[in-house]
Amino acid sequence: QKEVEQNSGPLSVPEGAIASLNCTYSDRGSQSFFWYRQYSGKSPELIMSIYSNGDKEDGRFTAQLNKASQYVSLLIRDSQPSDSATYLCAVSFGGGFKTIFGAGTRLFVKA
Amino acid sequence: GAGVSQTPSNKVTEKGKYVELRCDPISGHTALYWYRQSLGQGPEFLIYFQGTGAADDSGLPNDRFFAVRPEGSVSTLKIQRTERGDSAVYLCASSAKGWDNEQFFGPGTRLTVL
Repeated sequence: QKEVEQNSGPLSVPEGAIASLNCTYSDRGSQSFFWYRQYSGKSPELIMSIYSNGDKEDGRFTAQLNKASQYVSLLIRDSQPSDSATYLCAVSFGGGFKTIFGAGTRLFVKA
Repeated sequence: GAGVSQTPSNKVTEKGKYVELRCDPISGHTALYWYRQSLGQGPEFLIYFQGTGAADDSGLPNDRFFAVRPEGSVSTLKIQRTERGDSAVYLCASSAKGWDNEQFFGPGTRLTVL
């Protein structure tokens, strides 16, 4: 059973701080890794994708992937109250496009 | 162009009834996915289409669930003999053919089975 694990939170950070969100996955054959943001009552919105080991930066967001440790993280710099949402980690498995989502981490950014 | 659209946005039905949920993907996207999401959970994979064919339907919970995509664009998720446990938000996503598999979600259909 392929699994994607996230701390459910809530994670609370003050405005302007760095928020660090973590995810582990069970299948070493995983090839593609994604972070989605989901506001309450809305559908998931893609933030970042990462496919190779290391860091990938896009604006205030940095995704980090370590395939040896089966670990992917998302850093949000200069956190804003508008970043308050649930962040979903998603992993696509080798050989196909089946995507497994974690249960999400709730983030609160306090003004 | 337009994003992924789903209809209806809300569906209330009675236990034992049949329902159809529709998804219209982003124009040109060949891959289409169905998920369902319960409160406090991440989206649960149901089925993936590449073109007209179901490439992976391993997430369909039982034979009451069926999905089609006859012309490689619009897809319909069909649920027979609905049960109260089927109540959830049903999400559709599409992605362009390619290795990156970035998926773009529709607004979802909230299904309530009374």
